[in-house]
Amino acid sequence: AIRMTQSPSSFSASTGDRVTITCRASQAIGTYLAWYQQKPGKAPKLLIYAASTLESGVPSRFGGSGSGTDFTLTISCLQSDDFATYYCQQYYNYPSTFGGGTKVEIK
Amino acid sequence: EVQLVESGGGLVQPGGSLRLSCSASGFTFSSYAMHWVRQAPGKGLEYVSGISNNGGTTYYADSVKGRFTISRDNSKNTLYIQTSSLRAEDTAIYYCVKGRGLGVLSSPLDHWGQGILVTVSS
Repeated sequence: AIRMTQSPSSFSASTGDRVTITCRASQAIGTYLAWYQQKPGKAPKLLIYAASTLESGVPSRFGGSGSGTDFTLTISCLQSDDFATYYCQQYYNYPSTFGGGTKVEIK
Repeated sequence: EVQLVESGGGLVQPGGSLRLSCSASGFTFSSYAMHWVRQAPGKGLEYVSGISNNGGTTYYADSVKGRFTISRDNSKNTLYIQTSSLRAEDTAIYYCVKGRGLGVLSSPLDHWGQGILVTVSS
């Protein structure tokens, strides 16, 4: 199975910060990469798919980039609603696999 | 509005079995692949299993292969997963999830149920 590695596993940031989360695949996956946001006690929510396509209704401060093995999720101006855990997922090869998650906490 | 409602969870002893169901509404169920994803308490997401829109193709994580069986009944708009030989490490919230792509198994996951807890313990 393809291994997805996210970094960092957690970090603290302030409202208004620009933040970047990285995800690395153990083999090339093209752009078959999605990002999800999960808040405590809630189901995950799809933010970005095809590495850089914003899901409908997701604020434009979220952005994704990358292809092959290296990907990034960027939040251009962190809002209070964005403190959550973020996961990447490859759907290039099944069974699909998720990264270990990145928790964004309030500084 | 897409709705996915899981049922069938609960407490089961190690070695036991449980069948989870997911009732779907708000979309043409028979046109989309469906999946199960789980999350152990305080841990990350783990892909469990997926099934194509017509049920002809299935995938399983290595951790559940041979113990879990995914299926669907398109006439009832319902997804299932039959679990057996359950272990303590299968304890998790199990989410029923819809694939985004029409008729495509390999796609992102765009709608998630609220999840149902399965606890494996004696």
